[in-house]
Amino acid sequence: DSGVTQTPKHLITATGQRVTLRCSPRSGDLSVYWYQQSLDQGLQFLIQYYNGEERAKGNILERFSAQQFPDLHSELNLSSLELGDSALYFCASSAGGAGMLVTEAFFGQGTRLTVV
Amino acid sequence: SQQGEEDPQALSIQEGENATMNCSYKTSINNLQWYRQNSGRGLVHLILIRSNEREKHSGRLRVTLDTSKKSSSLLITASRAADTASYFCATAAYSGAGSYQLTFGKGTKLSVIP
Repeated sequence: DSGVTQTPKHLITATGQRVTLRCSPRSGDLSVYWYQQSLDQGLQFLIQYYNGEERAKGNILERFSAQQFPDLHSELNLSSLELGDSALYFCASSAGGAGMLVTEAFFGQGTRLTVV
Repeated sequence: SQQGEEDPQALSIQEGENATMNCSYKTSINNLQWYRQNSGRGLVHLILIRSNEREKHSGRLRVTLDTSKKSSSLLITASRAADTASYFCATAAYSGAGSYQLTFGKGTKLSVIP
């Protein structure tokens, strides 16, 4: 158990809909990262938050947004969903990531999103 | 965009053999990490090597880092069927605004045949 909790584990929704994925980081970790993994693809970095602030943005579509709350949990919002958004979405947390060395990241089990 | 690129994309070996995976990257890094992913599950951290280190060991794992060539290798010795998984390298690099970003490659799919 990595200590990172992602909910829900599975999500099936229709095109055009909006979903919210939730992540609770490991206790004490201030950095949260979101990644997208499509079939046979590596992990595409979407966005990083550190202690409530957005710190880095990767290949995140404008239809996607995220935030990190004061209790450090994070949510990834995906809207106007398309078939191509079907993927595994991972959240990871680490102790560092802002002004300090990045140490190992701890991953949740992911949310498998299927858009039909 | 992918920072690290693993090679080969897939590797099939017999149990007991050694498995070597390589990773190349493009920009300066702070450290390089290797992760393992069992099918469809979350990634698990294996080992971290800092930019001023050249080699690191952990159990049956040996990682090397050559910053002049911007490359790293992961060696798994005496492989077991349970080592079957995808292996990813990840580079930690400064991304501005006081932040470090962790960027992953596409991974090497390792199959260990009993």
